[in-house]
This record gives sequence, C-alpha cells and structure tokens, in this order.
Amino acid sequence: GQQLNQSPQSMFIQEGEDVSMNCTSSSIFNTWLWYKQDPGEGPVLLIALYKAGELTSNGRLTAQFGITRKDSFLNISASIPSDVGIYFCAGQLFKAAGNKLTFGGGTRVLVKP
Amino acid sequence: NAGVTQTPKFQVLKTGQSMTLQCAQDMNHNSMYWYRQDPGMGLRLIYYSASEGTTDKGEVPNGYNVSRLNKREFSLRLESAAPSQTSVYFCASSVRNMNTEAFFGQGTRLTVV
Repeated sequence: GQQLNQSPQSMFIQEGEDVSMNCTSSSIFNTWLWYKQDPGEGPVLLIALYKAGELTSNGRLTAQFGITRKDSFLNISASIPSDVGIYFCAGQLFKAAGNKLTFGGGTRVLVKP
Repeated sequence: NAGVTQTPKFQVLKTGQSMTLQCAQDMNHNSMYWYRQDPGMGLRLIYYSASEGTTDKGEVPNGYNVSRLNKREFSLRLESAAPSQTSVYFCASSVRNMNTEAFFGQGTRLTVV
C-alpha cells in the first residue's frame, strides 16, 4: 500500500526554538493533514491542506501542501513546553482509494533536558 | 462533552481469548472507524462503517470483526487474540465517510500474552 515517510522520527526542542518536520510519499494525495497526539490521548487534527502549494497557519503552526502533491511540512514557531507530543501527517486520496487516510509513522517531539 | 468514548482503556489477554472493544460517539456522526497504532507505523485502518448498517474492511482487517450496533456504537471484536494484536486501538468518527475532520477516542491499550 501507500507509504508515508515522516522525518525526523524524534526531535528535542528548546523553548523558543522553531522546529520543522516533513512527510513524503511515493504517491500523490488530494489532502494532507497534520495531527498531534498527547500521551494517553487520541490524535487531534491541527491543520488540513486541500490544494497543492497551499500554505496554512493555525497559531504558531504552519503547514504546506507540496507542489508535487507528494510531500508536506509542518513548522512550529517559538516552541513551548506543551508542544511536546507525537505529530502525525496523513494523506488522503479521494475515491480511487475509498477516501482512506494513510498515516506517517510520527515525529516525537521532546523537550531538551 | 464526551465526544468519542472507548472502553476499556487497558486490557491484557491470553493468546486465544476473545474480547470486544466498545466505542460510542455522541456527535451524531455517520461514519466510524477502528485504527490500530504500532510504534513507528502511524495509525492503520482496521475496519470502518460509512453509515449505520454498513461496514467495510480497511488496511489490516485480518483477525478482527466489527459491528455497527446503531448510529452511536461501533464495536471491534477479536475472536482469538494473538500476540501480533498487541497494540493501541483507536476508534474515530466523522460526519461522513473518511471526512478529514475525524474525532478520535482516547484509545485502548491491548496486550496479548
């Protein structure tokens, strides 16, 4: 099936830093999504992207839908301790694949000791 | 303000035992889903129900069965648990099938020994 490669797998952040993560696919998607999962909770949708080239912000989060429709990135500006968690990208391909979501393996964001 | 409620939160089974994971949503959503989450693999769709009365296989359906009991409830059954089914299971719901605005439950952590 389709695979999403998400990188990095984990990262340490220091308060105030900007961080970036990305997701690449061997296939195109119609929609790219970014979720955050806190410990013991289910994923929560952060940003949805519907058009190639689209750049969307949600507070300190910014995500882009790559022009080739095969990649997306998420930036977090001025990180704060509550940004820790696991961030997942997900791609959706309409109709041909039954609108199913394909998830990346996640980027675990941790605070620098 | 319950949203999606899953029970139980934790479960340990012996190989060969059966059990049913329960999921209920109070948002009047049409579609419901069961995912499993394994380290480094993101979320993989097990089964979904686009609307009351219908169910379909997802990416990894083997070893599972589902029942859409009514609009609110969607259960996942393991008839004969195997160690490979050790995972965290998430139920989700959305207004319509594979709508990206899916809401997730808190998860069920299942260990099969």
